[in-house]
Amino acid sequence: AQKVTQAQTEISVVEKEDVTLDCVYETRDTTYYLFWYKQPPSGELVFLIRRNSFDEQNEISGRYSWNFQKSTSSFNFTITASQVVDSAVYFCALRRGKAAGNKLTFGGGTRVLVKP
Amino acid sequence: DAEITQSPRHKITETGRQVTLACHQTWNHNNMFWYRQDLGHGLRLIHYSYGVQDTNKGEVSDGYSVSRSNTEDLPLTLESAASSQTSVYFCASSGRDTEAFFGQGTRLTVV
Repeated sequence: AQKVTQAQTEISVVEKEDVTLDCVYETRDTTYYLFWYKQPPSGELVFLIRRNSFDEQNEISGRYSWNFQKSTSSFNFTITASQVVDSAVYFCALRRGKAAGNKLTFGGGTRVLVKP
Repeated sequence: DAEITQSPRHKITETGRQVTLACHQTWNHNNMFWYRQDLGHGLRLIHYSYGVQDTNKGEVSDGYSVSRSNTEDLPLTLESAASSQTSVYFCASSGRDTEAFFGQGTRLTVV
């Protein structure tokens, strides 16, 4: 069975602080995909990144960066120099390899509150 | 632009009534999903479909049903609404090797 754990339910920071969101996953598959989605106060789900299990390179996109470590089954997300617009709920999700279908298993989400 | 839309956005219904939530996508994706979002649980999979006439149960399927008669639509039916089904419902679609695209969500209240 697949499982995703986001142990931090809520994080509060002051603008310009860095914030790291933890994501730990469980799977027996050797091929799998990891995702991060953002849910702003307006409620929609916005795709941020996808990583496959064979690509452990860290990724940076502007103020966002992701650290994927298979050895610890973690896929952590860092927002550098946070801004008020980063206030949202962030979800980590896991998908099995292509042959097993495209359904996602989500973590419980981490609410980030960035105060001015 | 391709999109995925849900209707209605908000609905209040009474216990015991049948309710159908609509989901329509113009991505031409074969894969479609229904999730519910509840505090502390993230999003949980209700039902999914990998193509026309294909439907499958997810982890929280009791009390729900879906049908897939065409590529674009996957309506979700609550056979007899219960207060425990008060939630925000999200529909999603994906291609064979794409991320999932989500609708705007439907907030359902069962009173």
